[in-house]
Amino acid sequence: SQKIEQNSEALNIQEGKTATLTCNYTNYSPAYLQWYRQDPGRGPVFLLLIRENEKEKRKERLKVTFDTTLKQSLFHITASQPADSATYLCARSNDYKLSFGAGTTVTVRA
Amino acid sequence: DAGVIQSPRHEVTEMGQEVTLRCKPISGHDYLFWYRQTMMRGLELLIYFNNNVPIDDSGMPEDRFSAKMPNASFSTLKIQPSEPRDSAVYFCASSLGRGRSTEAFFGQGTRLTVV
Repeated sequence: SQKIEQNSEALNIQEGKTATLTCNYTNYSPAYLQWYRQDPGRGPVFLLLIRENEKEKRKERLKVTFDTTLKQSLFHITASQPADSATYLCARSNDYKLSFGAGTTVTVRA
Repeated sequence: DAGVIQSPRHEVTEMGQEVTLRCKPISGHDYLFWYRQTMMRGLELLIYFNNNVPIDDSGMPEDRFSAKMPNASFSTLKIQPSEPRDSAVYFCASSLGRGRSTEAFFGQGTRLTVV
């Protein structure tokens, strides 16, 4: 079966450090991977999309990489702030559907 | 645009009762998705529509679940009869559907508790 996995449930880091989250996929090669942020009691909010022919995508302090050899996407939050504390979800695009990983909860300590 | 609007935000019902969740997608979006989120299973796609037509309902867990989209601005997800294991947060999302690169816009969700 096709799976997308985020292999860390929680990540605690000090303010100012870089948070790195991992998203792995198996048994297929998605054309696109999307990353979303979810705050408690709210719906997911889109952050970034990366295509399989792109190595890296950036948006302000966020960076996403896509390694089709390793079947992995890395999501980086640089110069992290307490306001970055949230759950981050990766999702593969298959046709028009999104299939989500379980998410990684990031807590940034001041 | 106000974004995707879901109602109610919270619903508490007794086992066996019918529950109807409502969604208003973003105007102009031609794809609508219903997701369910639980701690155990994460965010699962239940069903999605394109131009008001159901395209894939393979994620609907049982016949107790049904969804409709009578027009481009309204969709419902109905559970009849409801069971305690249906307790979850249900999200509606919409997208422009311009290829697989299109982002989804989510509503605030409906937290359903079946007692």
